[in-house]
Amino acid sequence: GAVVSQHPSWVICKSGTSVKIECRSLDFQATTMFWYRQFPKQSLMLMATSNEGSKATYEQGVEKDKFLINHASLTLSTLTVTSAHPEDSSFYICSAHHPLQGVRKDNEQFFGPGTRLTVL
Amino acid sequence: GNSVTQMEGPVTLSEEAFLTINCTYTATGYPSLFWYVQYPGEGLQLLLKATKADDKGSNKGFEATYRKETTSFHLEKGSVQVSDSAVYFCAARTLTNAGGTSYGKLTFGQGTILTVHP
Repeated sequence: GAVVSQHPSWVICKSGTSVKIECRSLDFQATTMFWYRQFPKQSLMLMATSNEGSKATYEQGVEKDKFLINHASLTLSTLTVTSAHPEDSSFYICSAHHPLQGVRKDNEQFFGPGTRLTVL
Repeated sequence: GNSVTQMEGPVTLSEEAFLTINCTYTATGYPSLFWYVQYPGEGLQLLLKATKADDKGSNKGFEATYRKETTSFHLEKGSVQVSDSAVYFCAARTLTNAGGTSYGKLTFGQGTILTVHP
């Protein structure tokens, strides 16, 4: 199957610092990756869609200057939480679109295991 | 946009009990529907899917039927096991085009925590 990894799996940082989270598709090339945020006991909320070689598309209400997304290669997208604050503490999950799965065929998004961010 | 509503949890069952987790959706057009499972400490995994009305998705003893008339996609299993304990997410997907490539944006329900006791 298609494997997506995230690094780090957890991170603790001080308020005001920036944190970078990596999302990698290990055995396929992903032109599109998605970043989600999951609060405790709540659903996944799509933050942004990351397209390789172009700017990310952010969902309404997500600050693009705070959550910087870079998709510089077909196997790597990064999410940087800038000037993190305690309210940014959350579980961040990425998924990668597998192009060969295609439209209305098998599952085309494969999820990473998530990154737990705690801001002190 | 789409929205997905799931049955409130948590759900606690004894082993071999019957499971139903309700899911309803609102969407423009005809979305594909999914159930994802998240085991403790792991990422989301696709459990089953259905892409059109009356399709039945099934996997690992779980089933769900795409009901267009009731806009529902309820998850069922006849006999749950302790190993089924996890969080279950219902999701709907409609297609978006970008630069000639079609991909789906998933909208998730709030998740239902299932705990199965021996």
